[in-house]
Amino acid sequence: DSGVTQTPKHLITATGQRVTLRCSPRSGDLSVYWYQQSLDQGLQFLIQYYNGEERAKGNILERFSAQQFPDLHSELNLSSLELGDSALYFCASSGGGGASNQPQHFGDGTRLSIL
Amino acid sequence: AQTVTQSQPEMSVQEAETVTLSCTYDTSENNYYLFWYKQPPSRQMILVIRQEAYKQQNATENRFSVNFQKAAKSFSLKISDSQLGDTAMYFCAFMKLGGGNQFYFGTGTSLTVIP
Repeated sequence: DSGVTQTPKHLITATGQRVTLRCSPRSGDLSVYWYQQSLDQGLQFLIQYYNGEERAKGNILERFSAQQFPDLHSELNLSSLELGDSALYFCASSGGGGASNQPQHFGDGTRLSIL
Repeated sequence: AQTVTQSQPEMSVQEAETVTLSCTYDTSENNYYLFWYKQPPSRQMILVIRQEAYKQQNATENRFSVNFQKAAKSFSLKISDSQLGDTAMYFCAFMKLGGGNQFYFGTGTSLTVIP
């Protein structure tokens, strides 16, 4: 158990809809990262938050947005969903105690299926 | 920008044998960390081993060890006494220190352990 909790585990919805994925980081971790993994693909970095502020941005579409709340949990919002958005979305956390040399610990992912 | 290259999309090894997975990276940074993550069929992302760039000694975790060649920017993973449970996708990752500690992942090597 990595200590990172992602909900829901599975999500099925239709094109054009909007969904919210939720992530609770490990206790004490300040950084949250979001990744997209399409079928048989590597991890695509989407965005990182550190202690409530956006720290780094990757290949995140304008239809996607994220935020990190004061209690450090994070949400990834996906809107105007397209078939190509079907993927496994991972959340990872790091930086417990503000330490900068910690690896990322991953949640189990949310599998999003667009019909 | 940092890039991570895994040139072996697929590999196989006989049970109890040894296998080495390759990873090269490109960076102008001097202080960084390198990681190997394992993603079994369950799709969880599991940290296998990490290496600090400032350490000359290669990291070892039980049957897993790395060959870190900083000048060559090479970071290979050796799995000894391969077990069926080692069957997974293996991702090499680079983390630079500072600026959000963003991770850069390779495209992965799919390893199959043959009984």
